[in-house]
Amino acid sequence: QVQLQESGPGLLKPSETLSLTCVVSGGTISTYYWTWIRQAPGKGLQWLGYIYFIGTTDYDPSLKGRISMSVDTSKNQFSLRLTSVTAADTAIYYCARGRVGRDGNTLVYYFDHWGQGTLVTVSS
Amino acid sequence: QTVVTQEPSFSVSPGGTVTLTCGLTSGSVSTRYYTSWYQQTPGQAPRTLIYSTNSRSSGVPDRFSGSILGNKAALTITGAQADDESDYYCVLYMGSGVWVFGGGTKVTVL
Repeated sequence: QVQLQESGPGLLKPSETLSLTCVVSGGTISTYYWTWIRQAPGKGLQWLGYIYFIGTTDYDPSLKGRISMSVDTSKNQFSLRLTSVTAADTAIYYCARGRVGRDGNTLVYYFDHWGQGTLVTVSS
Repeated sequence: QTVVTQEPSFSVSPGGTVTLTCGLTSGSVSTRYYTSWYQQTPGQAPRTLIYSTNSRSSGVPDRFSGSILGNKAALTITGAQADDESDYYCVLYMGSGVWVFGGGTKVTVL
């Protein structure tokens, strides 16, 4: 059974850099789109971006310039980095596995496994 | 900027049927957006319900179904149960590796 587990600092000050890691167990990190999604308190879900196992990335345009992702296939993990954080970046951050491509006779583009989420608070 | 729209809230009686929709502020949702739906209860991570418009994820009861209704994607819960009371999010795949979430619908069963 594939499991994802986020980890990282839970409290940051404004202007600091958010760094989170998601460890994937029970399955390979290859061939999937490894995704970060966040949810501000009381708000909806926001797709942040993905990194493909070979290192290709794409990000939410509203975060471009501040966001980057990396993958370490040897450790079966991937990471999120968000610079110059503000209170608006306070959220639960989820990692998820994105499935893209053909699944039998169906083309698929969705998130099939999620981590439990980690709360990051930005406060002075 | 593309905005994905969902009803803010819905109420359904136990055993009743409710249809949630997922639209676009500009244009129509079709199967080429590969709509997926996720259920989230308070304090929990989202759970995948539907992908590629109408395919149920493993273990999801068949009272959940996905479709295209008019110019929107839809999630129908038939025979609602108390534990269906949750927030429901749709996600559209916009192409070129970009996904966009809807704002979510809060479903109350009472």
